[in-house]
Amino acid sequence: GAGVSQSPSNKVTEKGKDVELRCDPISGHTALYWYRQRLGQGLEFLIYFQGNSAPDKSGLPSDRFSAERTGESVSTLTIQRTQQEDSAVYLCASSLYGGGQETQYFGPGTRLLVL
Amino acid sequence: GIQVEQSPPDLILQEGANSTLRCNFSDSVNNLQWFHQNPWGQLINLFYIPSGTKQNGRLSATTVATERYSLLYISSSQTTDSGVYFCAVIAGGTSYGKLTFGQGTILTVHP
Repeated sequence: GAGVSQSPSNKVTEKGKDVELRCDPISGHTALYWYRQRLGQGLEFLIYFQGNSAPDKSGLPSDRFSAERTGESVSTLTIQRTQQEDSAVYLCASSLYGGGQETQYFGPGTRLLVL
Repeated sequence: GIQVEQSPPDLILQEGANSTLRCNFSDSVNNLQWFHQNPWGQLINLFYIPSGTKQNGRLSATTVATERYSLLYISSSQTTDSGVYFCAVIAGGTSYGKLTFGQGTILTVHP
């Protein structure tokens, strides 16, 4: 079946503009995660959704970042008033139930460049 | 929180050589995954291996949970093995899948 998909693949924006990044998880996966990867770094956790439970937003770096998920489907990550330090690859992952003992599958990422 | 250290940071090989990548973690884990990030940035799942040994073709992995480390073995390396290898863990006792990543090992395989 189809893997995790993300759009857009690349996004170039000007400092101060808002951007929206989209993630489509694997069909049937109830858990969805957003991570950020800065140049030359490992991935940092941003936010976690599982079913209809309240999301874990503990990794969001500032209140300019927010994310939504409708049911067990698409998620959008919004960055308001973008700053140059927001430039990174934003990766989405999904897993079947969201428990700690299962495989997470990653999408191809959105490469964000803030000028 | 849990700390993940990978070594070596960089590795350069000739095609056909074997290699071992190491991942140390600071606390008990109930999830450990190895990923290969290809030159286009895609993270590819290699192994889910919180304990024990697994093999998949030229790749194998061993996790010794009691000693808090995991090893990824690449045999008869090929140029397509180039990229960054990440180890990621979930601390034991965590009820959901927030992965903590190491900084990665950059592998370059020359023809």
